[in-house]
Amino acid sequence: DTGVSQDPRHKITKRGQNVTFRCDPISEHNRLYWYRQTLGQGPEFLTYFQNEAQLEKSRLLSDRFSAERPKGSFSTLEIQRTEQGDSAMYLCATKGTGLYGYTFGSGTRLTVV
Amino acid sequence: AQKITQTQPGMFVQEKEAVTLDCTYDTSDQSYGLFWYKQPSSGEMIFLIYQGSYDEQNATEGRYSLNFQKARKSANLVISASQLGDSAMYFCAMSPRLYSGGGADGLTFGKGTHLIIQP
Repeated sequence: DTGVSQDPRHKITKRGQNVTFRCDPISEHNRLYWYRQTLGQGPEFLTYFQNEAQLEKSRLLSDRFSAERPKGSFSTLEIQRTEQGDSAMYLCATKGTGLYGYTFGSGTRLTVV
Repeated sequence: AQKITQTQPGMFVQEKEAVTLDCTYDTSDQSYGLFWYKQPSSGEMIFLIYQGSYDEQNATEGRYSLNFQKARKSANLVISASQLGDSAMYFCAMSPRLYSGGGADGLTFGKGTHLIIQP
């Protein structure tokens, strides 16, 4: 397990549909983060898990967004009733305890049409 | 709240020249970490270098060095002997603590600098 995997890499959906993204972390990393990156901007923090517990959610995470990390392994991010403003790159990152290095996945690029 | 400011939206640099990417930050925390990431067009964020707020020496990693001036709240990235493969977006980021002892520690990013290396 050499890195953080995200699936799918690209997703095109119609406005109003639900979408779900998956992140598979580095196995020994207990912290998992979701970020959203819109065009021309840096990533913005969305939410954070330590093992299976969701410890923090950004105000950016509206009630249409939900994230889970069952059993403290992979995580899913679901967006319900997608809007055009949800079009962005969704990045997952993981981190081991005591380490400063966050390892990012390649992201899922969402386009809402 | 933490804030990162990158004032250079884009830079053109000749191959083999050194380049400095600017980053200033704002925080009320005494302990924090500063990071630089590279994002090629493929999208992944590649970790380059880290500086802790209590580190007295500037961090170095190969061709990358971080010019840390705590009093000025700046953390500029210096790339020596630039290469064509250095062309990418570069992001400065900070975390609210040095190590994840507990609590949230999501990174705050700047808007990035688009670096283009010309042959």
